[in-house]
Amino acid sequence: EVRLVESGGGLVQPGGSLRLSCAASGFTFSDHYMDWVRQAPGKGLEWVGRIRVKRNGYTTEYGASVEGRFTISRDDSLNSLTLQMSDLETEDTAVYFCARVRMQLWQLDYWGPGTLVTVSS
Amino acid sequence: DIQMTQSPSTLSAFVGDRVTITCRASQSVSTSLAWYQQKPGKAPKVLIYKASNLESGVPSRFSGSGSGTEFTLAISSLQPDDFATYYCQQYTTYPVTFGGGTSVEIK
Repeated sequence: EVRLVESGGGLVQPGGSLRLSCAASGFTFSDHYMDWVRQAPGKGLEWVGRIRVKRNGYTTEYGASVEGRFTISRDDSLNSLTLQMSDLETEDTAVYFCARVRMQLWQLDYWGPGTLVTVSS
Repeated sequence: DIQMTQSPSTLSAFVGDRVTITCRASQSVSTSLAWYQQKPGKAPKVLIYKASNLESGVPSRFSGSGSGTEFTLAISSLQPDDFATYYCQQYTTYPVTFGGGTSVEIK
């Protein structure tokens, strides 16, 4: 069974940093691109970014609102995905989901339950 | 960035109704479009990929159509479990973008 579980959310002050993790199991993690998607309270879905696989150089893509502040990385030996967030703003308050990309078809076919990040003083 | 516009933003319907949701892209996305269903407090679930392909395990009352800039998600006979928010997503180019969502409510 494919399983994704996020952790690391919490309360952080504006300008602070936070690191989210996503633990993957039930599939060959190293074969899949992985995404982060967020959802502010009462709002819609916003794509945060993507990390590709080793054969694509672990390259990344980001949404404009987080580029330069957020960094996505992965550790295939630990089946783990990470979102390093810095210079956090109140507008970054959201539930953060990790999601698996279905290779060659590109839909997000499995999602974690999400972890809440609150940026507030 | 490609903007995805969904309509309506809210839809009220009876159980058994046929409902359709429209998603328009600001430029062509070919068929690189997916539809997701989200219930309160839960993660989204993919329903349709590549505009018209039903994800495994999704009931056949859901269908998708369209290409280029205009897409439709249809539910042939609305069931109680279908009351949720629906999102379209384009993945033809970065950044990936989602529509604003359509909330399907009980009438």
